[in-house]
Amino acid sequence: SQQGEEDPQALSIQEGENATMNCSYKTSINNLQWYRQNSGRGLVHLILIRSNEREKHSGRLRVTLDTSKKSSSLLITASRAADTASYFCATALYNQGGKLIFGQGTELSVKP
Amino acid sequence: EPEVTQTPSHQVTQMGQEVILRCVPISNHLYFYWYRQILGQKVEFLVSFYNNEISEKSEIFDDQFSVERPDGSNFTLKIRSTKLEDSAMYFCASNSLRATDTQYFGPGTRLTVL
Repeated sequence: SQQGEEDPQALSIQEGENATMNCSYKTSINNLQWYRQNSGRGLVHLILIRSNEREKHSGRLRVTLDTSKKSSSLLITASRAADTASYFCATALYNQGGKLIFGQGTELSVKP
Repeated sequence: EPEVTQTPSHQVTQMGQEVILRCVPISNHLYFYWYRQILGQKVEFLVSFYNNEISEKSEIFDDQFSVERPDGSNFTLKIRSTKLEDSAMYFCASNSLRATDTQYFGPGTRLTVL
């Protein structure tokens, strides 16, 4: 598997439901960042979690990190149609500066 | 809130032509990056820049590519002789005190090579 793989590749839910996206990686990281991208647009930073952190919250977002399993999850609670977008995890590798390695992303569709 | 800006938003060029993509990072940031995203694919790292020099580059960033910070605000990516496969969205990013801080991305420049 590649560094930074998201699962599932696509997710379709109803408004109000929770959406969970997972990210796995291979090598030791300094931090892991989640981004959102609306179709054809720029990358919007959502949340950064460092390797010594296990969980972070930001509004309706909850991110967890399990370094022993080399995985992270992004939970969006009470989803809205406006949450429809692609979500990417990006890892900053340990001792390799700021270079981010992105996964393929999860395409989330929230139906009204 | 400060943001990274990029110009132009869309650039169309003929194969073999030179293009310069421009970015204005957030003003107190120290680390600068270029990434690209070919349509339908994942975002790929091209180059990082710190203290007026390249700190890391990927295999994609060959001799056809160069970066420059010509003044205190702009950060440019030049492609000397564009190829069809250079068609992609190019993103500039920056972060502040540490390379491992949050990277803030610009809106991107869509480059189309004909």
